[in-house]
Amino acid sequence: ELKVEQNPLFLSMQEGKNYTIYCNYSTTSDRLYWYRQDPGKSLESLFVLLSNGAVKQEGRLMASLDTKARLSTLHITAAVHDLSATYFCAGSNYQLIWGAGTKLIIKP
Amino acid sequence: GAGVSQTPSNKVTEKGKYVELRCDPISGHTALYWYRQSLGQGPEFLIYFQGTGAADDSGLPNDRFFAVRPEGSVSTLKIQRTERGDSAVYLCASSLTGRDGEKLFFGSGTQLSVL
Repeated sequence: ELKVEQNPLFLSMQEGKNYTIYCNYSTTSDRLYWYRQDPGKSLESLFVLLSNGAVKQEGRLMASLDTKARLSTLHITAAVHDLSATYFCAGSNYQLIWGAGTKLIIKP
Repeated sequence: GAGVSQTPSNKVTEKGKYVELRCDPISGHTALYWYRQSLGQGPEFLIYFQGTGAADDSGLPNDRFFAVRPEGSVSTLKIQRTERGDSAVYLCASSLTGRDGEKLFFGSGTQLSVL
């Protein structure tokens, strides 16, 4: 049974700093997804990582996938306040299995 | 429409009542998903439609939950004899074909509160 764990679950950081959110999963997952959710809003797709070694970047966010380690990371570079949100990763086992989310607060 | 639309945005009901939650997916998307999200948790899969048929309903928690998609577009999630534990945000998502690796587009959800 696929299980997905994120850490940290909560992160408070200053603008301009770099940080990484980790997503571990328990069994084979062919795909790894990252989503963003703002308070009271819906989920917005950020990245879909399709294979081992995949790296995708958009703006200050970069996601990578290591299927051998069963690990995906979401790296934030020079954080800005607008990136404050909850970030979810999800593995694929026919249906998406979601982590609990990382609530990210970026202070000006 | 431009995005996935869910109505109502909020629903308050009493224990034991029947509720219907509606989802209007992106036009042309054949795959439609229902998820349930409790506070502080990730979404929990409920059911997946491919066209008009439920391709996977393994996430429905019990027989009080039922969903339909009669014409392959709009879907309704129906909950009978609601219980306080059913309180959550019910999210609908659609994707173009349902193939693995496809991006899912989510609606804003229906916040269900069972008193």
